[in-house]
Amino acid sequence: AQSVTQLGSHVSVSEGALVLLRCNYSSSVPPYLFWYVQYPNQGLQLLLKYTSAATLVKGINGFEAEFKKSETSFHLTKPSAHMSDAAEYFCAVSTRGNQFYFGTGTSLTVIP
Amino acid sequence: GAVVSQHPSRVICKSGTSVKIECRSLDFQATTMFWYRQFPKQSLMLMATSNEGSKATYEQGVEKDKFLINHASLTLSTLTVTSAHPEDSSFYICSATGTNGNTIYFGEGSWLTVV
Repeated sequence: AQSVTQLGSHVSVSEGALVLLRCNYSSSVPPYLFWYVQYPNQGLQLLLKYTSAATLVKGINGFEAEFKKSETSFHLTKPSAHMSDAAEYFCAVSTRGNQFYFGTGTSLTVIP
Repeated sequence: GAVVSQHPSRVICKSGTSVKIECRSLDFQATTMFWYRQFPKQSLMLMATSNEGSKATYEQGVEKDKFLINHASLTLSTLTVTSAHPEDSSFYICSATGTNGNTIYFGEGSWLTVV
């Protein structure tokens, strides 16, 4: 079975500060892991994905995530937050069948 | 690149009526499509998995007679919300995977409001 836990439903950071959004997963098979961003009233946009290649994955808009098997984690980071990063972020795990299991989401607020 | 398109992007319907949402793969054949639902301020929850030419597999708690899914061709899956009620108001999004199964694409989503 697969599942995702996102710690912290709301995260606030100052503009220019480090962004850290946490994601832990559970999977009975080697997982594919994803981070998606959702802006208000919009669909999902893929930020980055891990598919068993390099453990440090770089995505769009300066985001990156590191797959740590020992910790079953796939935390999302960005060195310097921008106002436009304010959105809802979802971590997801996928099986080979491409069925996704999403976390409950983390709402990121960027304080000017 | 490959694109999955949903239509309509927003729809308002009266309580008791039915509404159909389409999910199309524009430049690849989608052997499997997934339908998700997202209630306000909640995560996306898988509703059903549909494979072309066969009956959809519904997740526990999803009424198959209320949410009719048809995947009649390799490029089109439809979700019909029958006898819609205000509590069905939600964001519905589909995803599709091609025959190689390596890449999955999400549609833009459809906002349904039942009044």
